[in-house]
Amino acid sequence: DTAVSQTPKYLVTQMGNDKSIKCEQNLGHDTMYWYKQDSKKFLKIMFSYNNKELIINETVPNRFSPKSPDKAHLNLHINSLELGDSAVYFCASRPPGQGSEAFFGQGTRLTVV
Amino acid sequence: GDSVTQMEGPVTLSEEAFLTINCTYTATGYPSLFWYVQYPGEGLQLLLKATKADDKGSNKGFEATYRKETTSFHLEKGSVQVSDSAVYFCALSDLGSRGSARQLTFGSGTQLTVLP
Repeated sequence: DTAVSQTPKYLVTQMGNDKSIKCEQNLGHDTMYWYKQDSKKFLKIMFSYNNKELIINETVPNRFSPKSPDKAHLNLHINSLELGDSAVYFCASRPPGQGSEAFFGQGTRLTVV
Repeated sequence: GDSVTQMEGPVTLSEEAFLTINCTYTATGYPSLFWYVQYPGEGLQLLLKATKADDKGSNKGFEATYRKETTSFHLEKGSVQVSDSAVYFCALSDLGSRGSARQLTFGSGTQLTVLP
């Protein structure tokens, strides 16, 4: 059973389009994250949800919006896609506790053309 | 705010060589420290962690010691293998300004390539 699953794995789309990436975790964790990884492997946190409440938003453009229909899901919606949005997006979940391990999905490679 | 500074890569070693990847951090509280590894085409997975000063995390021959006095958490392995080729990330977790918020902040990653 996959603990954190993301769909799709690959996404190629044109500039200006709107797209969504889905994330589901079956671990019962109450905190979920979205990270953006650029071509140099740098990881930038985008959003964090704790019990369906947004906790962190690191100056991400408002074209990006997280949606959490329930504790097990945290989807990422992106409007008006730009070339600079091309990256690998990772979803992760984590149980309570500062020393707890985060579990990552396999990533979604987004290419904007 | 919190930050993690990692040794820049890429690092290329021969099999059985000794590995050190340096990591230092800045945090306002008493963070937990982690090393994550990312194999090609995969997500990150936890390699080891330490939750308080002087703790040593270890896994698969890798070790790192939480040094509060030098704010460091350097990753070491005595003899690397080709299968260790991956990107390694140092990370810290601290309570955010909202108390219950737990940020997980990553360093820039270090690409390791081990040659046979």
